[in-house]
Amino acid sequence: NAGVTQTPKFRILKIGQSMTLQCAQDMNHNYMYWYRQDPGMGLKLIYYSVGAGITDKGEVPNGYNVSRSTTEDFPLRLELAAPSQTSVYFCASSTHRDRLQETQYFGPGTRLLVL
Amino acid sequence: AQKITQTQPGMFVQEKEAVTLDCTYDTSDPSYGLFWYKQPSSGEMIFLIYQGSYDQQNATEGRYSLNFQKARKSANLVISASQLGDSAMYFCAMREGTGNTPLVFGKGTRLSVIA
Repeated sequence: NAGVTQTPKFRILKIGQSMTLQCAQDMNHNYMYWYRQDPGMGLKLIYYSVGAGITDKGEVPNGYNVSRSTTEDFPLRLELAAPSQTSVYFCASSTHRDRLQETQYFGPGTRLLVL
Repeated sequence: AQKITQTQPGMFVQEKEAVTLDCTYDTSDPSYGLFWYKQPSSGEMIFLIYQGSYDQQNATEGRYSLNFQKARKSANLVISASQLGDSAMYFCAMREGTGNTPLVFGKGTRLSVIA
């Protein structure tokens, strides 16, 4: 069972370039999330999705876009990379059960450096 | 205002000793859930323990226990019999409401276990 997978593991972008961070899960989870973690900080929610075709903004959505065409995949798009987007990006998923105690399962992260 | 506050940027503990990592939270919702995650140097986020606001007893999971003081809005993580492998970042997180809503994370505490 692969769980939550993310690609790439590491990427260097030039300012103004675009890229897509890939996230996939094989646990048939309805809920998926994208977080960013800046150095010395906790995780901040960028976008999340409660099911295919449904996405919602989190705390820090500016500069990012997402889509959810399948249950398994939840890609994060950066259109015009900026140095402020240098961070580690985590994808997570959770079951469909609408309960407080449902934990989130995290991918290994993608380290992005924008120069 | 910060929803989750972790006031200890770094902590040291001797191997085999117990250590308490502090977490205070801010919410006006009577229903909420509190989570602790561990992030080793490899970067992945590992779920450790959960406490619900209506739970009568403090949560325990092996060497991890949660000192939940509702009136003080604190949910401190206690690690007993520390091991070298416990050296990591530890994040407290909260979910408000009654369902599977996104988590809000604190800034984390770096724990170093000394032999």
